[in-house]
Amino acid sequence: GAGVSQTPSNKVTEKGKYVELRCDPISGHTALYWYRQSLGQGPEFLIYFQGTGAADDSGLPNDRFFAVRPEGSVSTLKIQRTERGDSAVYLCASSSQKAGQETQYFGPGTRLLVL
Amino acid sequence: ILNVEQSPQSLHVQEGDSTNFTCSFPSSNFYALHWYRWETAKSPEALFVMTLNGDEKKKGRISATLNTKEGYSYLYIKGSQPEDSATYLCAPKAAGNKLTFGGGTRVLVKP
Repeated sequence: GAGVSQTPSNKVTEKGKYVELRCDPISGHTALYWYRQSLGQGPEFLIYFQGTGAADDSGLPNDRFFAVRPEGSVSTLKIQRTERGDSAVYLCASSSQKAGQETQYFGPGTRLLVL
Repeated sequence: ILNVEQSPQSLHVQEGDSTNFTCSFPSSNFYALHWYRWETAKSPEALFVMTLNGDEKKKGRISATLNTKEGYSYLYIKGSQPEDSATYLCAPKAAGNKLTFGGGTRVLVKP
């Protein structure tokens, strides 16, 4: 079946601009996660949705970052007033249940470059 | 905040050789450990989810062990092949659903 998809695969923007990154999870998965991987580091948690609500947004670095999942499926990560330090690979993952050790299935990521 | 260490950061392996590397994590509040393989330009691929002390899991030539009391996991690759070249990430999970990733071990298998 179809895996997690993310669009765009690459995004180049200028400092100060607004960007939106989209994630399509595996059909039927209620849990959705956003992570960010900066160069030379492992992925870092940003936010977790259970259904339509953000169950844990403790990883969002500041109020320039916001994410929504209005219908409990597709999610959009929004970054306002982008900074060069926002350049990273943004990964989305989904899983089938809200608790436990269930596997998180990742998309290929969006590579964001802020000039 | 979990402190997750993976070592080495990178290693070169001759094709056909076996290798292993380590993930260490705080043993308190442990719930599960995930291993992923991430090839360039692809999605991270789930390898294992391990929960019990002494767990051993195997997938083809790749296997992993878990020691929750001392807070470490080993991942082994037997008879390395060029297609094993990737970054291997471990991610323990405490209470809650988020994964805390280590920095990864980058493996390059030379033909």
